[in-house]
Amino acid sequence: QQPVQSPQAVILREGEDAVINCSSSKALYSVHWYRQKHGEAPVFLMILLKGGEQKGHEKISASFNEKKQQSSLYLTASQLSYSGTYFCGTPRGNNDMRFGAGTRLTVKP
Amino acid sequence: GAGVSQSPRYKVAKRGQDVALRCDPISGHVSLFWYQQALGQGPEFLTYFQNEAQLDKSGLPSDRFFAERPEGSVSTLKIQRTQQEDSAVYLCASSPRGQGPSPLHFGNGTRLTVT
Repeated sequence: QQPVQSPQAVILREGEDAVINCSSSKALYSVHWYRQKHGEAPVFLMILLKGGEQKGHEKISASFNEKKQQSSLYLTASQLSYSGTYFCGTPRGNNDMRFGAGTRLTVKP
Repeated sequence: GAGVSQSPRYKVAKRGQDVALRCDPISGHVSLFWYQQALGQGPEFLTYFQNEAQLDKSGLPSDRFFAERPEGSVSTLKIQRTQQEDSAVYLCASSPRGQGPSPLHFGNGTRLTVT
């Protein structure tokens, strides 16, 4: 089963903040976040392994609430380079990853 | 090489033709995955290898799709008798570990267009 992401799309001005959510109907043991720019490969951002864990990458951070079976990605003071589609991935078993449909983020000057 | 390499980058096939897509994972990576990505969608899982063993092929859409990784490194995804609905980007990813969560390293994909 694929995780569900929301919102489907976000448009921001430079410097604004955004939150992208990822939820699953099944128990989560880890959540992965990736960003894909148009025509390029998805690029790994971070893995969250424990409930309540928060991780950061530049001004992008994430939290993981395993009780609620969800993760959120936080983008603060967004930059033009943050534009792209963000995917959460939830492994089944041995790293067998299922991805959400993605959230398209557009940052405008 | 430094990253996952896929070839060809683009492939146009006439309906009914067979195609073969190649993936060169990062050297030493144990796990290899194939995904299908339709326009505007997330990657859809096709199949997964750990070394040469194909541990999960539940995502292959039909028996026209076949994947192999005979020596545990390079992998080939073959699609027989291509149909228009097979048009998509096919992504390959590898990861260093066979067990436990680790980042996936993606190739740039092969864009398949079936006419």
